[in-house]
Amino acid sequence: GAGVSQSPSNKVTEKGKDVELRCDPISGHTALYWYRQSLGQGLEFLIYFQGNSAPDKSGLPSDRFSAERTGGSVSTLTIQRTQQEDSAVYLCASSPTAPAQYFGPGTRLLVL
Amino acid sequence: AQSVTQPDIHITVSEGASLELRCNYSYGATPYLFWYVQSPGQGLQLLLKYFSGDTLVQGIKGFEAEFKRSQSSFNLRKPSVHWSDAAEYFCAVGAANTGNQFYFGTGTSLTVIP
Repeated sequence: GAGVSQSPSNKVTEKGKDVELRCDPISGHTALYWYRQSLGQGLEFLIYFQGNSAPDKSGLPSDRFSAERTGGSVSTLTIQRTQQEDSAVYLCASSPTAPAQYFGPGTRLLVL
Repeated sequence: AQSVTQPDIHITVSEGASLELRCNYSYGATPYLFWYVQSPGQGLQLLLKYFSGDTLVQGIKGFEAEFKRSQSSFNLRKPSVHWSDAAEYFCAVGAANTGNQFYFGTGTSLTVIP
């Protein structure tokens, strides 16, 4: 497949548990983004990776959120000690050198 | 401050009617402009983008958008709407040389009635 893939597609967890969300970007895309989309809301920027540069973490809402990108490809967004307000759709996008983003289908996270 | 405004939260049109979704932006640099569509339960799909050149941009699914610098607008249009166009539409603005400066509007929800 040529598109951005994300896994799992749905995740239900209990409050206080940790979750990991995975993103496989389009091959060759140097930039990778994570966004959060709450019900009926727009996109909230979380974090941005560009090549080997230090990531822009300015959008992470708390220190419970972290992300890494291994080998310039796959990225994992980790949420520790999940809270109910973390329930949302988490979208990943990748981009080639030109600034157009290509989105994955998202991971729907529900924290009970 | 950079921002994107989509003034219409929700629009309803009849199938076959024309459509225009509004987008206004505030951006200090020369903007790159985008429209995305999100169907229920899906990710965002890129409809079209404007980087430079002809201010009327053609996209997929019969959509087009026109960049009007004087009005800071990038409205999306379609001459004849199909029922399958019902979705959420997002306008976004980005920078020419920095990857993380993307700003999204809050979206316009489109309902198509038979």
